[in-house]
Amino acid sequence: DAKTTQPNSMESNEEEPVHLPCNHSTISGTDYIHWYRQLPSQGPEYVIHGLTSNVNNRMASLAIAEDRKSSTLILHRATLRDAAVYYCIPNTGNQFYFGTGTSLTVIP
Amino acid sequence: KAGVTQTPRYLIKTRGQQVTLSCSPISGHRSVSWYQQTPGQGLQFLFEYFSETQRNKGNFPGRFSGRQFSNSRSEMNVSTLELGDSALYLCASSIRDRKSSGANVLTFGAGSRLTVL
Repeated sequence: DAKTTQPNSMESNEEEPVHLPCNHSTISGTDYIHWYRQLPSQGPEYVIHGLTSNVNNRMASLAIAEDRKSSTLILHRATLRDAAVYYCIPNTGNQFYFGTGTSLTVIP
Repeated sequence: KAGVTQTPRYLIKTRGQQVTLSCSPISGHRSVSWYQQTPGQGLQFLFEYFSETQRNKGNFPGRFSGRQFSNSRSEMNVSTLELGDSALYLCASSIRDRKSSGANVLTFGAGSRLTVL
């Protein structure tokens, strides 16, 4: 299973963009890159996923490096509700390995 | 569409007892997986069930077991509880499309918080 490296914590001002990086240098060719987030006292929540191309949805954008060894989750305008732990997970099946994630603090 | 429902939400047990947790997946989802979350170890995969069969298992002792019923509902059981079993137990369901399994998205429940005294 691919190992991931994410910053332990990041801060962002409210209404500013946030770029959350993830290094997954051992990713295999068939691994999708998933991002989940976990708000306090809740179960993890799906954010976005992709294979090779950059992806956009209503929550965020996912930028995947050309060599697929890293990716960046982009929150275009951080809100206080985006304060959570964000997990980057390369995945080929249903056995997701969550690392320690990045704890995002949004400053009003 | 109803989400993933886990019961009970909170429970307290004593060492040596056993516990059964229940998970009702989203309608149409045939895969159910279980995770344990503790402050020290983070989120750890326990096992996954698909069509009543255990498909994957994490690195947990045999005291942790599970099953899935024909309606896709799942239960997990922990026997001979230890203090270290205190954790948030999360259930997640997915459609589990075999053609592109890496793309399958998990939907988590709110969890069952177990405290072992």
